Amino acid sequence: AQKITQTQPGMFVQEKEAVTLDCTYDTSDQSYGLFWYKQPSSGEMIFLIYQGSYDEQNATEGRYSLNFQKARKSANLVISASQLGDSAMYFCAMREGRGNEKLTFGTGTRLTIIP
Amino acid sequence: KAGVTQTPRYLIKTRGQQVTLSCSPISGHRSVSWYQQTPGQGLQFLFEYFSETQRNKGNFPGRFSGRQFSNSRSEMNVSTLELGDSALYLCASSHETDHSPLHFGNGTRLTVT
Repeated sequence: AQKITQTQPGMFVQEKEAVTLDCTYDTSDQSYGLFWYKQPSSGEMIFLIYQGSYDEQNATEGRYSLNFQKARKSANLVISASQLGDSAMYFCAMREGRGNEKLTFGTGTRLTIIP
Repeated sequence: KAGVTQTPRYLIKTRGQQVTLSCSPISGHRSVSWYQQTPGQGLQFLFEYFSETQRNKGNFPGRFSGRQFSNSRSEMNVSTLELGDSALYLCASSHETDHSPLHFGNGTRLTVT
């Protein structure tokens, strides 16, 4: 089974609208962390937001929030008031256990913001 | 604070050659990990170094190797290059606490001809 599943290969969203990017994960570890990264066409990976498995509240970072539903093993990224600069690839990733920095990535979602 | 620095940005090599990629982590970060990104396989973990020791290794052939120096800088080496090694190689460093993210460099784009 895939450890990280992103089912939306591509999305088109009107500027200023909110958008939700889906991510489901699979792990038997009790301790894990979930990350979202943005990759513009330039190739750099930009960290957006992090959610720990023991965090009770959903993470928020500016316009980004993470809708964490532990029982359903989902960690969807919500971008409010989308901007043209949000057009990029978005990757969900998971770090399992502790004492390691290995991330397992999903296949990504290409988000295009339409003016 | 300077970010993760990878050199070179672009590299063109011929099949059979070897290549060394360099990564300087963010100051104070002791963990450095490497990832390969290709259109077909996506982002795949290569290996992670912490305090000069390889702590974790992905599922890549022995042609892929790395090391970390006492100043946390890391190098990755690929020997006997194959066409399929053409990829974006990303290095990341982290502060090694529970909530610390991995910070990535801009990557080295390797083309093997």
